[in-house]
Amino acid sequence: GESVGLHLPTLSVQEGDNSIINCAYSNSASDYFIWYKQESGKGPQFIIDIRSNMDKRQGQRVTVLLNKTVKHLSLQIAATQPGDSAVYFCAENKKAAGNKLTFGGGTRVLVKP
Amino acid sequence: ETGVTQSPTHLIKTRGQQVTLRCSSQSGHNTVSWYQQALGQGPQFIFQYYREEENGRGNFPPRFSGLQFPNYSSELNVNALELDDSALYLCASSLSLHQETQYFGPGTRLLVL
Repeated sequence: GESVGLHLPTLSVQEGDNSIINCAYSNSASDYFIWYKQESGKGPQFIIDIRSNMDKRQGQRVTVLLNKTVKHLSLQIAATQPGDSAVYFCAENKKAAGNKLTFGGGTRVLVKP
Repeated sequence: ETGVTQSPTHLIKTRGQQVTLRCSSQSGHNTVSWYQQALGQGPQFIFQYYREEENGRGNFPPRFSGLQFPNYSSELNVNALELDDSALYLCASSLSLHQETQYFGPGTRLLVL
């Protein structure tokens, strides 16, 4: 079946350290992956995306890595800040399936001062 | 802020009632998707609208219906409400059907008693 899931439900990080959030997917036909950040009481906020023909993509303080061999996606946050505390979701998008997002269960990141 | 707005922000209904939720997409975006997010879970795709037509539907019963207007705003209607319909309902817009990145609104929190 198809699934997008996360390895760690909660990640506690010291302020200033780097954070790594992992995600596994099972459908090799997925062609687009997205990371969202969701703060309490808000909708998911787009962070960064990557297409299946890429291995790595960098943004401001964030990097997404895609390993298609083991169907693994990760989000790295550099110099984690208190404002990074939130739930992070990975999602996959399959154009052939009609451009709908399939989300994993989320990882909560807690930044300790 | 993504420019996607939703109303109302909160809503309380009783079992068996009907509800209508509204969404205004980001300026220039002609595709709107609706998601249901139960507490502690990732969003689940309900359906998508493109140029006033339904374009893809998730595993939701027919009592979940939608509409998109010529200005690309959208409504989600749920009939015969059940307790399990209590959730955060999220609307996401994208530039076009072929633009995968979806930008979410703040959501409507629905409580069914």
